[in-house]
Amino acid sequence: DTEVTQTPKHLVMGMTNKKSLKCEQHMGHRAMYWYKQKAKKPPELMFVYSYEKLSINESVPSRFSPECPNSSLLNLHLHALQPEDSALYLCASSQDVLQETQYFGPGTRLLVL
Amino acid sequence: QQQVKQSPQSLIVQKGGISIINCAYENTAFDYFPWYQQFPGKGPALLIAIRPDVSEKKEGRFTISFNKSAKQFSLHIMDSQPGDSATYFCAASIGQAGTALIFGKGTTLSVSS
Repeated sequence: DTEVTQTPKHLVMGMTNKKSLKCEQHMGHRAMYWYKQKAKKPPELMFVYSYEKLSINESVPSRFSPECPNSSLLNLHLHALQPEDSALYLCASSQDVLQETQYFGPGTRLLVL
Repeated sequence: QQQVKQSPQSLIVQKGGISIINCAYENTAFDYFPWYQQFPGKGPALLIAIRPDVSEKKEGRFTISFNKSAKQFSLHIMDSQPGDSATYFCAASIGQAGTALIFGKGTTLSVSS
């Protein structure tokens, strides 16, 4: 089973809202990732968690706040987003950060009004 | 030096034909080269991957050719089918903690019936 699940599938939020994206995997992977993907562009790395600790933050604005409550779950908390933050947000996992094969979830399509 | 250059940007192939997508890199420390397939509104799915100690890897209709001296690798899709119509991303990584997948810009493949 190489499944990464993400909820919700779609999200519409205003610039003053607070919302959270959720990601879950049950493959026993110890590295989890958040990516942002704009239309017709490759995924852009936002954050990497390794063994539940934040190991990479690619200079992401503080209105995006990641959280890794346990080894199977990854959250992305959103607050005071801008319309340009509208994108497909992808979660991925790998066995660990030294194992390069990353498995992606289906993504959450976010629209900020 | 961290870039992966992918071409062409778009490709139209007739059903049954061969689709070829090329990627080039500069960083000789890269040691893992995956290809991802992405359908609209979905997350990228790992298609096939190769390491530099192998010059070719085949899985079904998909083949990766790797030229270490030229720092190039390519994806060949034999007997292309309309269901192969998707965006394809090549990527590269170093396989060390604190590094990440570097994606090419993507190729949109359309297979006409």
